[in-house]
Amino acid sequence: NAGVTQTPKFQVLKTGQSMTLQCAQDMNHNSMYWYRQDPGMGLRLIYYSASEGTTDKGEVPNGYNVSRLNKREFSLRLESAAPSQTSVYFCASSEVGTGRFFFGPGTRLTVT
Amino acid sequence: QKEVEQDPGPLSVPEGAIVSLNCTYSNSAFQYFMWYRQYSRKGPELLMYTYSSGNKEDGRFTAQVDKSSKYISLFIRDSQPSDSATYLCAMSGNSYGNNRLAFGKGNQVVVIP
Repeated sequence: NAGVTQTPKFQVLKTGQSMTLQCAQDMNHNSMYWYRQDPGMGLRLIYYSASEGTTDKGEVPNGYNVSRLNKREFSLRLESAAPSQTSVYFCASSEVGTGRFFFGPGTRLTVT
Repeated sequence: QKEVEQDPGPLSVPEGAIVSLNCTYSNSAFQYFMWYRQYSRKGPELLMYTYSSGNKEDGRFTAQVDKSSKYISLFIRDSQPSDSATYLCAMSGNSYGNNRLAFGKGNQVVVIP
């Protein structure tokens, strides 16, 4: 039982490049989330997916797109990376009935 | 007013001391309360989970929720250097978790041997 996994662990992009962050969970959770964490700002919700086939914007969605590929997988895409998107990105899933959230190990992204 | 307030000031304590952390919140709909521990360059790890008011104890860790005061606390007894991490409080208003997990900004704790 791996929980929530994310790839890649690290990435450096140049401004304007695109990339997709991958996330998968093996806990059979319906809901999945993408957060970014910046110093002094805490964790901020980018997008979430309440169930397979649905996605909704969170607090800071601009510059990002998401795809809920199936119940297990939820990807985050940066179409044209900007230095302001330098951050640590966490994927999470939540357990129905308890509201507990479980986080992945994170992707550390630097945009130059 | 932010939904969840957590004083982010770093906290340094000697090994063996009691660590006391707290958060206040403004949304009376919150009923699920969590504490996460985050080691440097790692993801947040669920440490304590409490539903509604009351206390929960797990080993050296105690979580308290006072819904009447909108105040939650985490106590770490007999602190160890391995407890050095950032601790984030989090809370939600429903068990479905959709979008409604509100976080504090985290407290960095350093336990000095």
